Amino acid sequence: KQEVTQIPAALSVPEGENLVLNCSFTDSAIYNLQWFRQDPGKGLTSLLLIQSSQREQTSGRLNASLDKSSGRSTLYIAASQPGDSATYLCAVSLVGGSNYKLTFGKGTLLTMNP
Amino acid sequence: DAGVIQSPRHEVTEMGQEVTLRCKPISGHDYLFWYRQTMMRGLELLIYFNNNVPIDDSGMPEDRFSAKMPNASFSTLKIQPSEPRDSAVYFCASRGQGREKLFFGSGTQLSVL
Repeated sequence: KQEVTQIPAALSVPEGENLVLNCSFTDSAIYNLQWFRQDPGKGLTSLLLIQSSQREQTSGRLNASLDKSSGRSTLYIAASQPGDSATYLCAVSLVGGSNYKLTFGKGTLLTMNP
Repeated sequence: DAGVIQSPRHEVTEMGQEVTLRCKPISGHDYLFWYRQTMMRGLELLIYFNNNVPIDDSGMPEDRFSAKMPNASFSTLKIQPSEPRDSAVYFCASRGQGREKLFFGSGTQLSVL
């Protein structure tokens, strides 16, 4: 059974810093990996999607990398801003089964300090 | 497009009552998913539909839970009878064929007393 872990569960950083969020998964036979953002009381917003054949994806200040063999992904946020405060979740879908079924980590709660 | 629309936003009910959660997916999306989020277990997939047909309901916790999708623009998740352990945020999400990004609704916060 695929398990997705995100450590730490919470992170507090000063504004303006570059930061890295981590995600690990136990079964490397993934179809793709997605990073989501969740604001309090809201649903999830997809930030980046990396196919299993890709190493990284970039969108603005966000860069996600994937090392499938080691079962790891990182989300890099450059020049963090107050609006980046949110919970960030990663999710993977498996090859062979339904690739529409995502297994989520429990997320990292990011808080920006002024 | 208004995105995925869920109602109600909040539901407070007493144990044993029937609860119905509603979802309108994004127009043109072929897949609809129901998720449940709790602090202890995180996000769990309950069931998903493709072209209004339930494809995988293996995540539905027990027979008290049922889901329907009578047409492409509407789905319901019903809990009967409800129990305090059903308290959670229930999300609906949709995506189009071949497009792998999921679009989530704002969720229904369910509290069963």
